[in-house]
Amino acid sequence: QVQLQESGPGLVKPSETLSLTCTVSGGSMSSYYWSWIRQPPGQGLEWIGYIYYSGSTNYNPSLKSRVTISLDTSKNQFALKLNSVTAADTAVYYCARRGYCSGSSCYSYDYWGQGTLVTVSS
Amino acid sequence: EIVLTQSPGTLSLSPGERATLSCRASQSVSSSYLAWYQQKPGQAPRLLIYGASSRATGIPDRFSGSGSGTDFTLTISRLEPEDFAVYYCQQYGSSLLFTFGPGTKVDIK
Repeated sequence: QVQLQESGPGLVKPSETLSLTCTVSGGSMSSYYWSWIRQPPGQGLEWIGYIYYSGSTNYNPSLKSRVTISLDTSKNQFALKLNSVTAADTAVYYCARRGYCSGSSCYSYDYWGQGTLVTVSS
Repeated sequence: EIVLTQSPGTLSLSPGERATLSCRASQSVSSSYLAWYQQKPGQAPRLLIYGASSRATGIPDRFSGSGSGTDFTLTISRLEPEDFAVYYCQQYGSSLLFTFGPGTKVDIK
């Protein structure tokens, strides 16, 4: 059973960099896309971006200038960095896996971490 | 960028009733690219439907998805107590981007 677990600081100061790590267990990272998705308190879901196991990435245009997603397959981890944060970046951050790309399952998220709340405040 | 609109915003129903949730896209979406999720308070979203009509692993058959083009529907044939939650549609579109709808809350009448 694949499991994802987010980790990182729960409090970040304005203008600093938010850094989170997602650890994947119970399965290989090969042949999958790995994503970050966030949810401000009481609001809906916002897709941040993904990284393929080969290292290629794609980001939400609204966040692209501030986001970096990276991968360390030797540790079964991928990471999110979001710089120059403001209060608007306060959210629960989820890591998630896209379904295997052999059909339409490729275009949905079948495994999610439990989420971690990151608050931006001084 | 394709925008998803979900209606109604809130659906108040009783256990045993049928729930019909709508997701409308601002442009045509391939059926392969449309998914539905359920989210309960304090939990991560759970994949229900992918490819507009395929149930994800372990999802009961009271959940079904349909639609094409710009109009998609999630139907819960008979609401169970555990089905009261928020439901999101999601699409994968041009520029290889994902977007989510604003959600429909199904609450107990």
